[in-house]
Amino acid sequence: DIMMTQSPDSLAVSLGERATINCRSSLAVFHTSSSRDYLTWYQQKAGHPPRLLIYWASTRGSGVPDRFSGSGSGTDFTLTITSLQAEDVAVYYCQQNFTAPPTFGGGTKVEIK
Amino acid sequence: QVQLVQSGAEVRKPGASVRVSCKASGYTLNTYDISWIRQATGQGLEWMGWMNLISGDTDYALKFQGRVTMTRDPSIRTAYMELSSLGSEDTAVYFCARGFGWFDSWGQGTLVTVS
Repeated sequence: DIMMTQSPDSLAVSLGERATINCRSSLAVFHTSSSRDYLTWYQQKAGHPPRLLIYWASTRGSGVPDRFSGSGSGTDFTLTITSLQAEDVAVYYCQQNFTAPPTFGGGTKVEIK
Repeated sequence: QVQLVQSGAEVRKPGASVRVSCKASGYTLNTYDISWIRQATGQGLEWMGWMNLISGDTDYALKFQGRVTMTRDPSIRTAYMELSSLGSEDTAVYFCARGFGWFDSWGQGTLVTVS
């Protein structure tokens, strides 16, 4: 199985500031035939199911605000929240779907400083 | 809109089985698979397997093979996940989610407590 490692485990950011979350996969998740990285980001607020934010490493899901952006390729990826809002307090997970089984990172908790 | 509605919380004794249901609405059923993902309290997400709601084809994570069975009734747009030989380590919230690669809609979750 591909192992997904996120860093940091948690971070506290002031309102309006930038939050950056990193994700590393144990194998490259770039699919040469489609020229896409099979890396997805989710947001999970307390007591709720996860919500799809980003797929193919950088494509925002339906209705996702443009302050959320994904970048990276191969094995190293970043989720950036520009101008953090109070409603962005959550745990964020990365996930690879390059090979079965789909595997998730351990999560990064984002709080307000 | 797309909705996945799951059955309610369950309590089971060790060694028992549990079945969780997931009713889909708001989209064409045969265009997406349904996956099951679980989350122990305060822990991360663990993919258990997926099923195609039309064909019934399944693929289970190695860890759960022999203990998990995913079935469906397409006439009522409902998927089921049954987990047997429960232990305390199976206490978790179980989610159904649309898709196999990425998961773009999720059920509300079903808490299964083994005690």
